Amino acid sequence: AQTVTQSQPEMSVQEAETVTLSCTYDTSENNYYLFWYKQPPSRQMILVIRQEAYKQQNATENRFSVNFQKAAKSFSLKISDSQLGDTAMYFCAFMKQGTSGSRLTFGEGTQLTVNP
Amino acid sequence: GAVVSQHPSWVICKSGTSVKIECRSLDFQATTMFWYRQFPKQSLMLMATSNEGSKATYEQGVEKDKFLINHASLTLSTLTVTSAHPEDSSFYICSARDSRGVGTEAFFGQGTRLTVV
Repeated sequence: AQTVTQSQPEMSVQEAETVTLSCTYDTSENNYYLFWYKQPPSRQMILVIRQEAYKQQNATENRFSVNFQKAAKSFSLKISDSQLGDTAMYFCAFMKQGTSGSRLTFGEGTQLTVNP
Repeated sequence: GAVVSQHPSWVICKSGTSVKIECRSLDFQATTMFWYRQFPKQSLMLMATSNEGSKATYEQGVEKDKFLINHASLTLSTLTVTSAHPEDSSFYICSARDSRGVGTEAFFGQGTRLTVV
């Protein structure tokens, strides 16, 4: 079974600054995907970024980038130039590579607050 | 991007009654949909995996007779909370992934806040 651990229940950052959210996971699988999802106060789950385990290059999406360390089973999210709208709960998630029936395993979440 | 529509967004029901929540994939087909429960400030807990045309697979500790799941078509799954009690009050979320395997993103419904009084 897979486990995902987010060791920071809460974090805060000043607007325009950079913040990094941590995530570690445990699996015996070699082919898998990792995701960061954002859940703002509306509670709609929104995909922030995803990483294929077979890719060595770290994924980036505008202000969001990851530091994927496969050997260490670490998958941190860096948010640059933080904006007030980034305030949300962030979940790290793992998925085995497979069919559309593959399930997501979520971490406990990190509540990020961006302060003006 | 693909859209998953969940209805209703919120519902209040009396203890002992049943409530049905719908989850629809609007522009893709989903042979599998997932139902989650989320308590305040906590993570999503997978309740069951809904399979089109067959029985749902429930996670350990989830009562299948209480949380009835029907996945009668490739675009619709329903979760019925039967004989609801106040402890069933929670936020329920569904998600689905395109059956064609296009991409790996799971799309989520808006969630349903259930309050049992």
